[in-house]
Amino acid sequence: AQSVAQPEDQVNVAEGNPLTVKCTYSVSGNPYLFWYVQYPNRGLQFLLKYITGDNLVKGSYGFEAEFNKSQTSFHLKKPSALVSDSALYFCAVRDVNSGGYQKVTFGTGTKLQVIP
Amino acid sequence: DSGVTQTPKHLITATGQRVTLRCSPRSGDLSVYWYQQSLDQGLQFLIQYYNGEERAKGNILERFSAQQFPDLHSELNLSSLELGDSALYFCASSSGQGVVAFFGQGTRLTVV
Repeated sequence: AQSVAQPEDQVNVAEGNPLTVKCTYSVSGNPYLFWYVQYPNRGLQFLLKYITGDNLVKGSYGFEAEFNKSQTSFHLKKPSALVSDSALYFCAVRDVNSGGYQKVTFGTGTKLQVIP
Repeated sequence: DSGVTQTPKHLITATGQRVTLRCSPRSGDLSVYWYQQSLDQGLQFLIQYYNGEERAKGNILERFSAQQFPDLHSELNLSSLELGDSALYFCASSSGQGVVAFFGQGTRLTVV
């Protein structure tokens, strides 16, 4: 069975500092990996995905994520945090061979708080 | 804006009642997915429709049902509502068996 773990319920970072939101995954085969962001009272917004190729994936709003196969991780990063980045971040995974998007497993979410 | 539209945004109803949530997918997307987001269980996949046909089922209760119409919009029907059904219900859509799905803003259901 596939799974994804977000070990931190909340991450606090000062505005202007780099931020990292951690994600580790477990799949039997090769993974598709995703990051979504959820602002208060809003739906999930797609940030970026890893399918294949370059381990560093760039996404929306200046975010990027690094795929590390040996550590089975897909951490979300941003060089300089903004107060407006404060939101709930979800990591998600599915096995490439597991079928369609309905097989995606979501993490429990990490609340990012950027402090002015 | 993801292009996925959900109505209504908020719904308050009493236990035992039935409600219908509506979703219009992004233009051209054939797949619609329904999710429930609650505080204690995170984001749970309920059901998927593809071009009008049920394609996959997740943790969907027998009291819940869904359908997708010829114009590709979808409805999620929740009946005999219980307090524990209070949650955010999201619809997402993708093109065919697309890798990425895009989410609507959700319907917040409160059962009192």
